[in-house]
Parts: sequence; structure tokens; C-alpha cells
Amino acid sequence: KNQVEQSPQSLIILEGKNCTLQCNYTVSPFSNLRWYKQDTGRGPVSLTIMTFSENTKSNGRYTATLDADTKQSSLHITASQLSDSASYICVVSAPGGNNRLAFGKGNQVVVIP
Amino acid sequence: DAGITQSPRHKVTETGTPVTLRCHQTENHRYMYWYRQDPGHGLRLIHYSYGVKDTDKGEVSDGYSVSRSKTEDFLLTLESATSSQTSVYFCAINAREGDTEAFFGQGTRLTVV
Repeated sequence: KNQVEQSPQSLIILEGKNCTLQCNYTVSPFSNLRWYKQDTGRGPVSLTIMTFSENTKSNGRYTATLDADTKQSSLHITASQLSDSASYICVVSAPGGNNRLAFGKGNQVVVIP
Repeated sequence: DAGITQSPRHKVTETGTPVTLRCHQTENHRYMYWYRQDPGHGLRLIHYSYGVKDTDKGEVSDGYSVSRSKTEDFLLTLESATSSQTSVYFCAINAREGDTEAFFGQGTRLTVV
């Protein structure tokens, strides 16, 4: 079973609207969680990191939340733009040592005019 | 952009031939990873390295081998390419234990015919 589950798998939103992406993880112990953005044909790029003690963090129009008790995180995109069309990937540091990372399959977002 | 380059960027090869992909970094990061990305699967770990000559298998390592003789280079070899290995391959680097911030290369699109 994947240690990181994301939903919805894909969504289409109108330019200017908001959307929220979900990430549930089972990794324990938990160190930190990071959201990446992957544009088509490119490698993923880090958007924001959430540590155990943080609940909310913003990076421009992106706001991430974390509930370490329920092992859930969300990424909220405000006033979406066409450039937000991408895959958003949730990553958690996996147990077992040697810095393995547990990746979700991503949320595919398409913003239409 | 982090100093990480993959070569080649695109390759078409025939079934049964060996193929080597190269990942080169200029950041002196300890950890290096090879992932493959396929539709519906997200990023899956093939092999990773936690130091020179220190490597370990990921979740989809069958048919692949790696070598790291220098800090800056991590090679991925498909010993006898099969059509199921047609994919986009990403190399990533990471500096610190427990840190989810990985820097990715641009990817290599490999087609096995």
C-alpha cells in the first residue's frame, strides 16, 4: 500500500477560481512533508515544506496545511492562473534510514480560461 | 537551478540492448536517486545512493543496476532493455538526512522499441 495517497487524482478548474488538494500519509515516524509542483516535461520543484509543529504555511497564492494527528495535509491554490496547470506531488520522508522519500502519485490540475 | 544534469535527454533503443543513463551534480550532495515516472504511477524509486559506492534498491529495481564511483556521478544501467522500461527517468539529489527537499534533473525520456 502506498504510504502517501493524494486526491483528487485530477481536476479542471476555471481561471480565477480556488481549489484544494489533499494528501494523506501513513509514514511514521514523521519528519516533514513537502509539496512539489511539476510542470509538463520538467522535473518536480519544491513549493513548500511543513514540519511537525507547523499547521499552515503560505507561499504566494499557495497555502499548505498540516494536521499531524490525522496525518493529513492540503494545498490550497487561490485565484488560480493558467500557469498553475501542473501536477502537485506530496512527499514525506520515509522510515528505514538513508533518506528515502515517499511520493504520492500527484494531483493533476488543469486551469482553463 | 541546482547543479544537476542528466544525459542523454532523449534516447530510443532496441529491446535487448544495454543502456546507461548518467546523472551529474555539482552540489556535492550526499544522496542521489533514480526514479521512473509513468502515467498512473507517479514517481517510483529505482535505486538510490547514500555515498560513494553505497547504493541500495528501491521499489522497482529489477532489470536495473547503478554505480557511484564519485560523489558527483550516479549511473543507471538497463542491462537488457525491455519495452516495459520505456519511461521518463529522473535523477534527484538531496543534501541532508530527513530532509524532503530533493532537486531534480530535467529527465530522460527513454523509448525501447
